Amino acid sequence: QSALTQPASVSGSPGQSITISCTGTSSDVGGYNYVSWYQQHPGKAPKLMIYEVSYRPSGVSNRFSGSKSGNTASLTISGLQAEDEADYYCSSYTTSSTWVFGGGTKLTVL
Amino acid sequence: EVQLVESGGGVVRPGGSLRLSCAASGFTFDDFGMSWVRQAPGKGLEWVSGITWNGGVIGYGDSVKGRFTISRDNAKKSLYLQMNSLRVEDTAFYYCARDSSGSKDNWGQGTLVTVSS
Repeated sequence: QSALTQPASVSGSPGQSITISCTGTSSDVGGYNYVSWYQQHPGKAPKLMIYEVSYRPSGVSNRFSGSKSGNTASLTISGLQAEDEADYYCSSYTTSSTWVFGGGTKLTVL
Repeated sequence: EVQLVESGGGVVRPGGSLRLSCAASGFTFDDFGMSWVRQAPGKGLEWVSGITWNGGVIGYGDSVKGRFTISRDNAKKSLYLQMNSLRVEDTAFYYCARDSSGSKDNWGQGTLVTVSS
């Protein structure tokens, strides 16, 4: 169960857009539409931001969007705000009937 | 409002055991699968184990297979994780999470397990 690959860090200025990638294999990201994204602020529990590749839970800003192409999923945050500064994790279901997370990406709002 | 409250964390010596509990409220517990996810201090998230609504299907991450056991009591609206043969590398915050639409849509606040001699 190798972790999905995410960049360790990304940054952007307020108002800009950023994209975080999440690369897996055909046994996880590429094989299922059960890709989800989580936001975690320091000392807090993770919060679901995107499920089933591109769906937003109620209450999540429409500045957050998700997509997938092949074995790579992406999270895009548009109109960056200071409150978006956090760690972001992707996750996918796998052919082993287990779940795998990415290593996490630290988003810095400059 | 969905609430998940973990308990049972603490300090334990290597080779010891600990049982975590997660009390659920604010939703129909037996309509949902549940999972345990852990996070070592300063590290990323790791899926530990999951169980379907009726306990019929259970899964474990490779790092805990054979040592940890997940269970649930729908009458008590509770999820459990029995952890045996604990190792230093099991030190982490353990989160209880609700499974929905291929994601973990609600999380508890976490309980810290420290394995140290």
